[in-house]
This record gives sequence, structure tokens and C-alpha cells, in this order.
Amino acid sequence: DTEVTQTPKHLVMGMTNKKSLKCEQHMGHRAMYWYKQKAKKPPELMFVYSYEKLSINESVPSRFSPECPNSSLLNLHLHALQPEDSALYLCASSQLESGPRTGELFFGEGSRLTVL
Amino acid sequence: QQPVQSPQAVILREGEDAVINCSSSKALYSVHWYRQKHGEAPVFLMILLKGGEQKGHDKISASFNEKKQQSSLYLTASQLSYSGTYFCGTERYNNDMRFGAGTRLTVKP
Repeated sequence: DTEVTQTPKHLVMGMTNKKSLKCEQHMGHRAMYWYKQKAKKPPELMFVYSYEKLSINESVPSRFSPECPNSSLLNLHLHALQPEDSALYLCASSQLESGPRTGELFFGEGSRLTVL
Repeated sequence: QQPVQSPQAVILREGEDAVINCSSSKALYSVHWYRQKHGEAPVFLMILLKGGEQKGHDKISASFNEKKQQSSLYLTASQLSYSGTYFCGTERYNNDMRFGAGTRLTVKP
């Protein structure tokens, strides 16, 4: 199984709502990532978890709250978002090795978020 | 901290060649190349870890000049299926993968 599964595929929410994006992988990868991608722009790194611990937070506003409950799951909790947060949110995973990295990122298909 | 990619866009006829460049002002741990088609997730093409390393994948290959912190992706005898946006991704520390702005490649019959 070489899949990263993201749910939901589409999400529309108001600025006062609370929602969550979910990501799951069963490849035994111990690094998991959240990226934000706007139209015609590259994926922008938000958070990285290594061995279920937050290792990188790219100064993302606190209205985005990541969570890694176990080695297979990654959540992104959303609260009080702004219309400019509308984007495709991509989850990815990769192996963590002590030696030279093979490091391929496996991406999910993304959750397309619209904030009204 | 994002790498700089060039050109922004390329239009080719089938069978033509293209080169996409990626550079960084900082020392790099690795360089990745990904292709993203419209409405799809990015797909891994290759990773380069060592200076001077070259890798190939069918008619797509890449090189990494560690001294200059530059990588190039070479697409030879392009096919229609090569169309998409190509991103280089670079790591300075473990797992901090950041992507360049992308190169939109269009291959026409």
C-alpha cells in the first residue's frame, strides 16, 4: 500500500466553524507533512512531524492546529479561518532513516478548502 | 529559503528537449524533483543527494552541482505525457522540504 489518504476531498466552512482535515498512511513512514497550495503556486510547507513529534512549524497562524495521534494519522484542526485560507491542503509522508535518505515524499490528493 | 527555479514556463513540440534549473543560496542536503498535473498531487521523479550525482529515469535525468548548489532536470525526446508543472524541492536540514515556484511545461503534438 503506497497511498496517502486524505479526507474530506472538499470542505466548505464559515469563518466561525471548527473543522478538521485528516490524513492516513500505512507505509510505516515516520515523517508526515502538511502543505498549503494556492492555485498556480508551489506547495508551501506548514508543519512537519517526525516520530509523532512536531519538528517544524513554519510560523503558521494558531487558527491551524496540527495533531499526530499515532504514526499513521495526521490531523489539521481548523478554527476561525479567513477567506484567504482557502486553498488545497496536501498531506505527505516519507521514511526517516539514520543513513542516507531515500526521502521520497508521497502526497495525498489533497483537501480543497473553501472559507466563506 | 525556497529554491529559485527557471524558466517559469516552457512550450515544446513532441520530441524536443528541455532543461529546468533549480538553485539555492544555501547549502543543501538534497534536491528532489516532482511533477504535478492539473488537479492531481505532486508525483516524485527523483532525488539527488551527493554533489555531482546524476540520476536517470527513462528519458528524464537530473544532475546536482553541490559546489554551486544547483540542480538541473533534463527532459529528452519529450512526450505529451510530460506536460505538467515541475517543482524542485530542496532540504537544508532533515525533512524541511521546500519547493521552488515551479516550471509549467506544455508539450504539443
